[in-house]
Amino acid sequence: SAVISQKPSRDICQRGTSLTIQCQVDSQVTMMFWYRQQPGQSLTLIATANQGSEATYESGFVIDKFPISRPNLTFSTLTVSNMSPEDSSIYLCSVEGQRQFFGPGTRLTVL
Amino acid sequence: ELKVEQNPLFLSMQEGKNYTIYCNYSTTSDRLYWYRQDPGKSLESLFVLLSNGAVKQEGRLMASLDTKARLSTLHITAAVHDLSATYFCAVDGGYGTASKLTFGTGTRLQVTL
Repeated sequence: SAVISQKPSRDICQRGTSLTIQCQVDSQVTMMFWYRQQPGQSLTLIATANQGSEATYESGFVIDKFPISRPNLTFSTLTVSNMSPEDSSIYLCSVEGQRQFFGPGTRLTVL
Repeated sequence: ELKVEQNPLFLSMQEGKNYTIYCNYSTTSDRLYWYRQDPGKSLESLFVLLSNGAVKQEGRLMASLDTKARLSTLHITAAVHDLSATYFCAVDGGYGTASKLTFGTGTRLQVTL
């Protein structure tokens, strides 16, 4: 099973700033996924990150707000740009596989 | 658009009792996942169900899949307090092994003495 780490584990940010979240996997994977879990809610897919191409965003999510990088087969970043309190959520990365494993998540609070 | 419904949303049950959580989904899929989430934690993978009639069991939890009915169940046998958590089902709407998951609303399970 893949071991996934995320940094930071949590952060408190001011409105209007940006935060970049890192996701590292211990093995090479083609697809990485970014999800958001708003307080008390279920998970929603933000985008799929495929190495060597632009990320594919789901309805309601745009690249200007959530730019994603995928420089190699073990690493990806998600940036939450121009943050507002509505962006306060847990952000989780996940990787493809028989059992879809998730990273530990980044808990973001925007004041 | 794939929709996934779970019920109940909240379940309070006594230790030793049995109960079932239901997961209905709207379009054909050949892969369904069950996860557990403890407060403030990430998701723990419980089961992946890959075919019609699949049944998986781990301890007091048993999951099954009926692809024709588009229904999965998570059955809890003789609940214990340690099972208190939120349980999510998720359906694969993607391609191959690269799973693009649509999650259910979650069922918050509280097991009381």
